Amino acid sequence: GESVGLHLPTLSVQEGDNSIINCAYSNSASDYFIWYKQESGKGPQFIIDIRSNMDKRQGQRVTVLLNKTVKHLSLQIAATQPGDSAVYFCAENGDYNFNKFYFGSGTKLNVKP
Amino acid sequence: DAGVTQSPTHLIKTRGQQVTLRCSPKSGHDTVSWYQQALGQGPQFIFQYYEEEERQRGNFPDRFSGHQFPNYSSELNVNALLLGDSALYLCASSFGADNYGYTFGSGTRLTVV
Repeated sequence: GESVGLHLPTLSVQEGDNSIINCAYSNSASDYFIWYKQESGKGPQFIIDIRSNMDKRQGQRVTVLLNKTVKHLSLQIAATQPGDSAVYFCAENGDYNFNKFYFGSGTKLNVKP
Repeated sequence: DAGVTQSPTHLIKTRGQQVTLRCSPKSGHDTVSWYQQALGQGPQFIFQYYEEEERQRGNFPDRFSGHQFPNYSSELNVNALLLGDSALYLCASSFGADNYGYTFGSGTRLTVV
């Protein structure tokens, strides 16, 4: 199946710093990507999405960048806060529809006060 | 407005038994997807139900089956439980063919002993 992987399993940052979480995907047919945040004991929470006809999309304190040439996705979190501590997953649709998503194994973000 | 609700939150079963997990979609959503999340891994797609039929299926054996009711709620059934079925089972609901508003519940933690 599709392979969605992350470069770093754990990322530690200081409160107030910017965080960058990276993701590589293998299926060039994927045209929709989502970043999710998952806190302990909870389901994945939607953060931001991007379609393949864009290379950048911004939300509140978050930015997603998509580089289709190298099949790379990143999530930037500005002014990281303790409440941002969680596991972050990227997901891709992989097969020209939106019925299912392929998830990577996740990156744990630790925010140090 | 209630989000996606799943029951039970935790469950312990013995190997070989059968289990039924339940999901109520977010108000206004008509599509339910099920995912399995092993510890330390990203969610893996099991199947999706729309209009009371299985619309798409992931790479899971026939021991995994489901159902969707006229009120859009859904059940996931797993027969002949194996130790490896221990995981967090997540339900996601969405609306329409493009799965707008893909929203996850908090999951059911299944432990097989």
